[in-house]
Amino acid sequence: DGGITQSPKYLFRKEGQNVTLSCEQNLNHDAMYWYRQDPGQGLRLIYYSQIVNDFQKGDIAEGYSVSREKKESFPLTVTSAQKNPTAFYLCASSIRQGKAYEQYFGPGTRLTVT
Amino acid sequence: AQKITQTQPGMFVQEKEAVTLDCTYDTSDPSYGLFWYKQPSSGEMIFLIYQGSYDQQNATEGRYSLNFQKARKSANLVISASQLGDSAMYFCAMREVGRTGANSKLTFGKGITLSVRP
Repeated sequence: DGGITQSPKYLFRKEGQNVTLSCEQNLNHDAMYWYRQDPGQGLRLIYYSQIVNDFQKGDIAEGYSVSREKKESFPLTVTSAQKNPTAFYLCASSIRQGKAYEQYFGPGTRLTVT
Repeated sequence: AQKITQTQPGMFVQEKEAVTLDCTYDTSDPSYGLFWYKQPSSGEMIFLIYQGSYDQQNATEGRYSLNFQKARKSANLVISASQLGDSAMYFCAMREVGRTGANSKLTFGKGITLSVRP
């Protein structure tokens, strides 16, 4: 079945360490996105990519980095520069960028940094 | 100013009854899309329904319908015949297109918690 996978579901790291969150899709979607969700809040866009080897910053890109070397994969690295990295991270994809194209989401990764 | 406003406190509905979840939005862009997503306790975001700003009719998808009032800038979600499995967080979101036609990001509201009582 087609879908988006994120691994792991729960991730624990020590402060000062970089950590990479995985996102893979087999939907043949062009566009991919990373969001952050804090308790009681909506989703905030970190980075997005419309095509391979191209990506743009979202609203809260500081302290994060991404790559898009393959259409299927869009990993997110949470660097030690991110001041409050503990959050729920959601990856999404859509056929292409466009107002009518809904985004499909993965199951999310809950990152805890202590 | 917030782009998407969802101000209802936690909502409760009796099983099999209908419920309306409110959403107001703010944009000066004539072309935009409105979305509703459901987030159960597992965390995954599930797409429910879409309404385009130029769509003449209100969108419907099974038990979900969108009460789109463009002049009031509201896009309320109506869930008919509520089921226990409808208990979740519900998010309204908007995507603006912009003058250049470049596609901009999806902006989410803060969500509404719906609890369905048996």
